[in-house]
Amino acid sequence: GAVVSQHPSRVICKSGTSVKIECRSLDFQATTMFWYRQFPKKSLMLMATSNEGSKATYEQGVEKDKFLINHASLTLSTLTVTSAHPEDSSFYICSATGTGIGQPQHFGDGTRLSIL
Amino acid sequence: GQQVMQIPQYQHVQEGEDFTTYCNSSTTLSNIQWYKQRPGGHPVFLIQLVKSGEVKKQKRLTFQFGEAKKNSSLHITATQTTDVGTYFCAGLYSGAGSYQLTFGKGTKLSVIP
Repeated sequence: GAVVSQHPSRVICKSGTSVKIECRSLDFQATTMFWYRQFPKKSLMLMATSNEGSKATYEQGVEKDKFLINHASLTLSTLTVTSAHPEDSSFYICSATGTGIGQPQHFGDGTRLSIL
Repeated sequence: GQQVMQIPQYQHVQEGEDFTTYCNSSTTLSNIQWYKQRPGGHPVFLIQLVKSGEVKKQKRLTFQFGEAKKNSSLHITATQTTDVGTYFCAGLYSGAGSYQLTFGKGTKLSVIP
């Protein structure tokens, strides 16, 4: 159980393009979803936390106009990287938790974003 | 913000040797979670510790939560090549009605066959 599907797994696009990444919980209702960025050989950097039906909470230093997050339902959250530039190239990974405090996070497979 | 310090950053062991990674927090945690990320994969939840002094085992893996709920360790006995990956701890902090899960930087384990 507790499967999270993230799509696409790999994106290569030109500078200036906007890229949308989807994160779906397949067999549970995800009250909260998290978006992380992971640099090579580095830890997970939390970008934002989103709760269904409300605005995302962004971590310090993360541009909310650059990284648009929508959590329209209990099974879907999307991250849109707007006007992406080479410095946005990274591994983006989402996770989801069910109802309850301190629930484990279930991660998607991640999206490798490469901006040329 | 809250920080969870995890050491070592890297560990290379010979197959069959033991391995331990440690996590420390300067403030008390509500719980601590452990995750494993295989090379090229995503983090996978291993276990959660909640009680002071709690010890849990999963086959060759032993997880401990300190008495003060500020530190934790993961010990692997007789490592195998399948244990390769990065192990992350994540501490849950609570305060003012909110909760925050903070990940350590991870310990990358390499096992030499």
